[in-house]
Amino acid sequence: GAGVSQSPSNKVTEKGKDVELRCDPISGHTALYWYRQRLGQGLEFLIYFQGNSAPDKSGLPSDRFSAERTGESVSTLTIQRTQQEDSAVYLCASSLRASYNEQFFGPGTRLTVL
Amino acid sequence: GENVEQHPSTLSVQEGDSAVIKCTYSDSASNYFPWYKQELGKRPQLIIDIRSNVGEKKDQRIAVTLNKTAKHFSLHITETQPEDSAVYFCAASAGGTSYGKLTFGQGTILTVHP
Repeated sequence: GAGVSQSPSNKVTEKGKDVELRCDPISGHTALYWYRQRLGQGLEFLIYFQGNSAPDKSGLPSDRFSAERTGESVSTLTIQRTQQEDSAVYLCASSLRASYNEQFFGPGTRLTVL
Repeated sequence: GENVEQHPSTLSVQEGDSAVIKCTYSDSASNYFPWYKQELGKRPQLIIDIRSNVGEKKDQRIAVTLNKTAKHFSLHITETQPEDSAVYFCAASAGGTSYGKLTFGQGTILTVHP
């Protein structure tokens, strides 16, 4: 198997537009995570899914951010009315299950909001 | 919520020397502590992890120690090589319903000079 994949790899958008970022986890991984990494910074937790449920959404910065997962597979992170401060690399990771398992990261989506 | 502090922010060593990176955490319920290595422009990759019932774990030139009483854990790299140069992140995972949530430190830029 393939690793975690994300699309697009790069996204440039104008302030105020909506964007959708996609993550395809490793097949069979039941847990999926979204992080944000600003330039030169650490990874900021956004949300994680166990199956299709999101037990912890505490990291979502505002109500402009939402995420969903279907079929215990693909996940989409949506940012509405993008702002310049949303510019960052958005990383997705997956693991066999949420409890204490190695998280495998995707290559990230670099989002630039002009 | 959990807060993870990581020091130093940059570390420069000569090839063959040892490198130590330290992290402290705030949530006494945290019980899983992974370390990730991120090379420039690449995705983070797990290099070692430790669970709260273990005080030390080694894997070749890498070791991690955990002091739950003091709420700190450290990464030790011996016989450093130029290819060890990267950004290293520590993280902590709490228990309960948030066990899937990793809180990351701000990262340490390690440079190994030949």
